[in-house]
Amino acid sequence: IVLTQSPGTLSLSPGERATLSCRASQSISAGYLAWHQQRPGQAPRLLIYGASIRATGIPDRFSGSGSGTDFTLTISRLEPEDFAVYYCQYYRSSPYSFGQGTKLEIK
Amino acid sequence: VHLVESGGGLVQPGGSLRLSCAASGYTFTSHEMNWVRQSPGKGLEWVSYISDSGSTMYYADSVKGRFTISRDNAKNLLYLQMNSLRAEDTAVYYCARRFDRWGQGTLVTVSS
Repeated sequence: IVLTQSPGTLSLSPGERATLSCRASQSISAGYLAWHQQRPGQAPRLLIYGASIRATGIPDRFSGSGSGTDFTLTISRLEPEDFAVYYCQYYRSSPYSFGQGTKLEIK
Repeated sequence: VHLVESGGGLVQPGGSLRLSCAASGYTFTSHEMNWVRQSPGKGLEWVSYISDSGSTMYYADSVKGRFTISRDNAKNLLYLQMNSLRAEDTAVYYCARRFDRWGQGTLVTVSS
């Protein structure tokens, strides 16, 4: 399974809405689609699993959706700490592939 | 949940290194573990998986035959034995509990 994320870079301002896309090379089970956030100089952090379930402690401005081959991570109102790189991942079976990442930068 | 990697460093091409990941704050024996790496300025690359019992392991094609994952459930430790290292193995290596908790990573540099 190859995961392709778009756009590569997204330039937005705090308070705006962000929509990040992840497309799979073939239909996948939404139950095994995750989103991770990686801030500069930090380890990745799980945001969303099962395509739409927020991980523990993740604010409700983060939401995930999608099915089949198309999945979306939405951040409803960007906070300064949200500017980071976001990766989607399929973790049903080996190899546990990641998308190439979307960099969310301050406009 | 706390995961702490160690064992990274500078190694020559063709050399070996063993990474460790110390787990605490949860029942180690109940969870699968993974190693994920990130080359400088690049994205995340899954490297290897081990089941909770240690009986099942998977590897990325890029490391198969050179890397070995293992765990010591009595000591709450995860390992990655890396042999025949190449320049392209240079990366920060993260251990991850399934993929819901991550360590801070350890840097491996393969260079002469």
